[in-house]
This record gives sequence, C-alpha cells and structure tokens, in this order.
Amino acid sequence: AQSVAQPEDQVNVAEGNPLTVKCTYSVSGNPYLFWYVQYPNRGLQFLLKYITGDNLVKGSYGFEAEFNKSQTSFHLKKPSALVSDSALYFCATASSGTYKYIFGTGTRLKVLA
Amino acid sequence: EPEVTQTPSHQVTQMGQEVILRCVPISNHLYFYWYRQILGQKVEFLVSFYNNEISEKSEIFDDQFSVERPDGSNFTLKIRSTKLEDSAMYFCASRVVAGGSDTQYFGPGTRLTVL
Repeated sequence: AQSVAQPEDQVNVAEGNPLTVKCTYSVSGNPYLFWYVQYPNRGLQFLLKYITGDNLVKGSYGFEAEFNKSQTSFHLKKPSALVSDSALYFCATASSGTYKYIFGTGTRLKVLA
Repeated sequence: EPEVTQTPSHQVTQMGQEVILRCVPISNHLYFYWYRQILGQKVEFLVSFYNNEISEKSEIFDDQFSVERPDGSNFTLKIRSTKLEDSAMYFCASRVVAGGSDTQYFGPGTRLTVL
C-alpha cells in the first residue's frame, strides 16, 4: 500500500533561517508527490508537486522540495523562513486508480520572530 | 482564479439528524472527492466520484454516507444519521481528469459539529 510519513509533529525555526519539513514515501511505481499547507480554519492550499523530471521542484511562496529517490524522500524547504509561514504542512501521494490522496500526519511549522 | 467553494462553513447538528454538505467544484473539473479531518488528525479520504458514480470509497464511507451531483455544478455529501464521531472538518476537492499527476484543488471546508 502506498503511504507517506512525516516524522516530525512540529518544527520550530527562527525567522530568516532556512527551514526543512521532512517527508518520506513508500510508493510502488512512479511516485506522484504533493505538498499542501493549511492555515488555521482554512482549507488545504497547494504548494508544489513532483511528477517527473528535475529533482528540485519550485512552488508557491518561495517553497521548494527535493525529490530523492535513493532515500525515498521529498522534503519541503525554504531558504529564509517568515513568521507568516507558520502553519500545518501536509505531504501527500496520489494512489493509482482513482488518484485519491494519501496524506501524511502533518507537521506544524512554527517560525519564531 | 477559479476555486472550489463549500457551504455551510460551519454546521451544528444533533446526533441522529441528517446533514447535507455542499460543494461547487471548479467548473471544468471532472473528478471529485470528499475528505475529512478530525480535529488535530490527518486528512482522510472518504470517496471519489467520476462520471456520475462513485469510483472508490473508504471504509469510513459506510451506508450512512452518500454523494450526489444533482445538477452538474453542485457536489453533495449526505450523512443520513449523524454520530458524535462524525464531528470533523469535511473537505471537497476536484481535479481535471489527467491522471495521478494532476493537482487536486480543495475547498475551504465545512466544520461539522455533532452534539
């Protein structure tokens, strides 16, 4: 069965420092991997996705993610964190067939001023 | 920019009552989904819908749940007899049919509270 894992419940980072939110995947075949962000009392907003091609994917709000096949990881990164980046981040993969999303447990990012 | 909309934003109901959650997907999208998120937990798949029928459903989606696309624009989730454990945030999502690489776009969610 396909799955993604987010090993950290919470990540704290100082404003201006680089941030990394981790995700590992277990997928048979070609992985389709996504990152979404959820602000308090809001829906899920798409950040970026990896389908094929370049291992470094650039997305919204200055975020990027690196696909690493040998480590089965798809970590979300940003060179310089903002307080406004504080939110809940979900990694997801699309299953075969109906392409429903299978989400990780989420990582709460706290950027401290 | 087109977006998925959901109504109501918050629904409070008594246990045993029926509720209907409404979604308007993006107009050229053909694949529709419902997910739910119990407070503090991860987002879970409920059901996918394509070509006017359910294409997949999870074990959460039992006989108390149903979905419908009544008029070509709305996509509804009905819970026939709500239970306390149905309290959650319900998200609708849609995508253009283009395979697993296609992005799903989510609505803002309906918070369902069952008393």
